[in-house]
Amino acid sequence: ETGVTQTPRHLVMGMTNKKSLKCEQHLGHNAMYWYKQSAKKPLELMFVYSLEERVENNSVPSRFSPECPNSSHLFLHLHTLQPEDSALYLCASSQGGAVQETQYFGPGTRLLVL
Amino acid sequence: SQKIEQNSEALNIQEGKTATLTCNYTNYSPAYLQWYRQDPGRGPVFLLLIRENEKEKRKERLKVTFDTTLKQSLFHITASQPADSATYLCALGASGGYNKLIFGAGTRLAVHP
Repeated sequence: ETGVTQTPRHLVMGMTNKKSLKCEQHLGHNAMYWYKQSAKKPLELMFVYSLEERVENNSVPSRFSPECPNSSHLFLHLHTLQPEDSALYLCASSQGGAVQETQYFGPGTRLLVL
Repeated sequence: SQKIEQNSEALNIQEGKTATLTCNYTNYSPAYLQWYRQDPGRGPVFLLLIRENEKEKRKERLKVTFDTTLKQSLFHITASQPADSATYLCALGASGGYNKLIFGAGTRLAVHP
């Protein structure tokens, strides 16, 4: 395992539901990332946190709300999602958020919005 | 706009042969490039990093080249094995600031016995 865990692994939700994705890293890293991966498309960076401060918000709709309570945990709160938001959501971490660092990914949450 | 292109068609090769995957980019001057492997239902796993001033990097059966003039990286797996079957992603990084990577869509490699 990479040391990054994500829960749940699978999630089905209606468009009016509210749910949260959780990510936890056990590597002592200071930077955490949320990515969206749709079929046949590149990973899209959504949010970056470095030392619990958000440093990137990549034009993501407000129906996605990140939270980073400490350097080990990252959440993605979901509300009033659309069917096109169905995708694999990946969390990653890196040591300090500096350039040229390896990113360590979790297994992802497969989200289906009905 | 910045664009990264990887072969969208799956690459099918025979066990024991060398697999070569291509990553081309435009409108970008990356300071470094990384290659990741992704298996179905799993997150990407880091394989190799090569910097802009490096021409070639090796790790066991893996070799990466980086040509900033051609704006291209080649990823080679020698003596390929069925266990090498996966999707391979290239990612470009910028200098300065934080660790932002821009990923290609990946190329699926299938190694047949």
